[in-house]
Amino acid sequence: DQQVKQNSPSLSVQEGRISILNCDYTNSMFDYFLWYKKYPAEGPTFLISISSIKDKNEDGRFTVFLNKSAKHLSLHIVPSQPGDSAVYFCAAVGSGNTGKLIFGQGTTLQVKP
Amino acid sequence: NAGVTQTPKFRVLKTGQSMTLLCAQDMNHEYMYWYRQDPGMGLRLIHYSVGEGTTAKGEVPDGYNVSRLKKQNFLLGLESAAPSQTSVYFCASASGQFGQETQYFGPGTRLLVL
Repeated sequence: DQQVKQNSPSLSVQEGRISILNCDYTNSMFDYFLWYKKYPAEGPTFLISISSIKDKNEDGRFTVFLNKSAKHLSLHIVPSQPGDSAVYFCAAVGSGNTGKLIFGQGTTLQVKP
Repeated sequence: NAGVTQTPKFRVLKTGQSMTLLCAQDMNHEYMYWYRQDPGMGLRLIHYSVGEGTTAKGEVPDGYNVSRLKKQNFLLGLESAAPSQTSVYFCASASGQFGQETQYFGPGTRLLVL
């Protein structure tokens, strides 16, 4: 049972345009979410996070939106750059104060010059 | 600061062989994790540790064992490798103060079991 889902395996956008990556979750007890970025042959690196007490968090070109009623979050990248081409994972922090992450399947973003 | 390092980077095993993957972190982090990444599955938690001498099972622990004898090291063992354990393995660490800290990942170990 996939508790965190990224239903789009891939996304292709033109340089300079907006990239929107989506993520859905099923467990209403999740209260902290993160986005990780992964380049080939490297480990994931943290990108941005959001607590359930907020509905938006912004860091430079990256903004994460959280819609708790819909159990949905999205990552917006504006403007998109070729260097943003990577796999993006959405993750939720599991229960128990152990920091365990529950990941989505990932979305491969390609930004075309 | 090397961050999180993993040894080896790549390994080929035959079915039934054993091996140990080593993860080391130099950030004095309390929490450490082992994940595996498979196509279309994202990363799944195998085992984790919330401090030296402690270990706990994650989502997919079967076929694996772990040890955390030293705070900076977290070992993942495969006693009898199976083709289903072909995967990319990632280790991660976090400071562990509040349970929601950023996890820092190693570069991964690619394992092929024939």
